[in-house]
Amino acid sequence: SQTIHQWPATLVQPVGSPLSLECTVEGTSNPNLYWYRQAAGRGLQLLFYSVGIGQISSEVPQNLSASRPQDRQFILSSKKLLLSDSGFYLCAWSALYEQYFGPGTRLTVT
Amino acid sequence: AQTVTQSQPEMSVQEAETVTLSCTYDTSESDYYLFWYKQPPSRQMILVIRQEAYKQQNATENRFSVNFQKAAKSFSLKISDSQLGDAAMYFCASYNFGNEKLTFGTGTRLTIIP
Repeated sequence: SQTIHQWPATLVQPVGSPLSLECTVEGTSNPNLYWYRQAAGRGLQLLFYSVGIGQISSEVPQNLSASRPQDRQFILSSKKLLLSDSGFYLCAWSALYEQYFGPGTRLTVT
Repeated sequence: AQTVTQSQPEMSVQEAETVTLSCTYDTSESDYYLFWYKQPPSRQMILVIRQEAYKQQNATENRFSVNFQKAAKSFSLKISDSQLGDAAMYFCASYNFGNEKLTFGTGTRLTIIP
């Protein structure tokens, strides 16, 4: 069966520091991968999606970036965090049209 | 562009009763899928139920069922025999085959009253 992992689970970072969140999927090949952000009490905002290694599409221009160095690995990064980057970050994978989500990372920028 | 609207920010229901959560959507696609996701306090998104737009029959999954009205672009979720574990945020979402993206509504917070 397929599983999706995210780490870290929680992160507290100062403004201006770098960020790296990792997502890995097991049990499937060539999945579509997605990064979402959820602000407190809000819906999900799609940040990036990838249909293959090295193929990244950005939905919202901001100081975040994403990379897919391996088929089942998706990384969300920032060189300098802003206060507005605080939120809950969810990674998801899909093989056809259903998306399955990881446990998420709660990021607090102080 | 697709839009999904959930007009009920909060709902509550007595345990063992039935509750219906509303969702409307707008799309120019002729083929699409609709979903309901549940987000409990753990915040992990869990797929509850799926409806293919080409199917007239409403989807059901145990105590969860949908009322899909394609012409009205309405997709409501009915939860029967509500249980305490059903307390969560519920998100309606539509899938666009053209760009392989999910569009989410803003969610409905469901409270179960013991």
